[in-house]
Amino acid sequence: AQTVTQSQPEMSVQEAETVTLSCTYDTSESDYYLFWYKQPPSRQMILVIRQEAYKQQNATENRFSVNFQKAAKSFSLKISDSQLGDAAMYFCAYRSTITNTGNQFYFGTGTSLTVIP
Amino acid sequence: EAQVTQNPRYLITVTGKKLTVTCSQNMNHEYMSWYRQDPGLGLRQIYYSMNVEVTDKGDVPEGYKVSRKEKRNFPLILESPSPNQTSLYFCASSLYRDGSPLHFGNGTRLTVT
Repeated sequence: AQTVTQSQPEMSVQEAETVTLSCTYDTSESDYYLFWYKQPPSRQMILVIRQEAYKQQNATENRFSVNFQKAAKSFSLKISDSQLGDAAMYFCAYRSTITNTGNQFYFGTGTSLTVIP
Repeated sequence: EAQVTQNPRYLITVTGKKLTVTCSQNMNHEYMSWYRQDPGLGLRQIYYSMNVEVTDKGDVPEGYKVSRKEKRNFPLILESPSPNQTSLYFCASSLYRDGSPLHFGNGTRLTVT
């Protein structure tokens, strides 16, 4: 099974600064999808950004962008101009393209981000 | 509004008392799944379903049952809950093609005493 590793259990950033959350994964597949989810204290799981492995261009959504390094199997999330509302647990997720297992999702253990005013 | 509806949000029960957590989605998704979230362990998959009457075990299926009699519903059943099943549970759904993201319910905080 694929594994997803988030090596930073906790991170902090000053408001308005930039922070990068790291994620690595292990797979033998050549085609797959990667996601970042945000879980604020309300515990709702919110999709932040999505990346297709066959696309070299890094995905961007407003202040959120990724650095996708396919050869290194790395998928980091950069948050620019951090805001208090960005404080949350962030999960990296991998979606397989193996259809006989339902294109399974695999999650990392999460990074808790604190934003300091 | 497209959503995954999960109930209840909070549940306190005693060891051995059967319970069901309901999950329903209105997006016509084929794929549905249950996860438990524990500190330091992230989200671990309990069971998943690729379509009606098709279910399979995830990473931590022991002590849980599921059924998929209708496409929209995917209840999680704990026949005899134990304290080690105290956790935060999420139901989620997705199309199972083209890298569609998971859509999550709002979670159920279960405490078993």
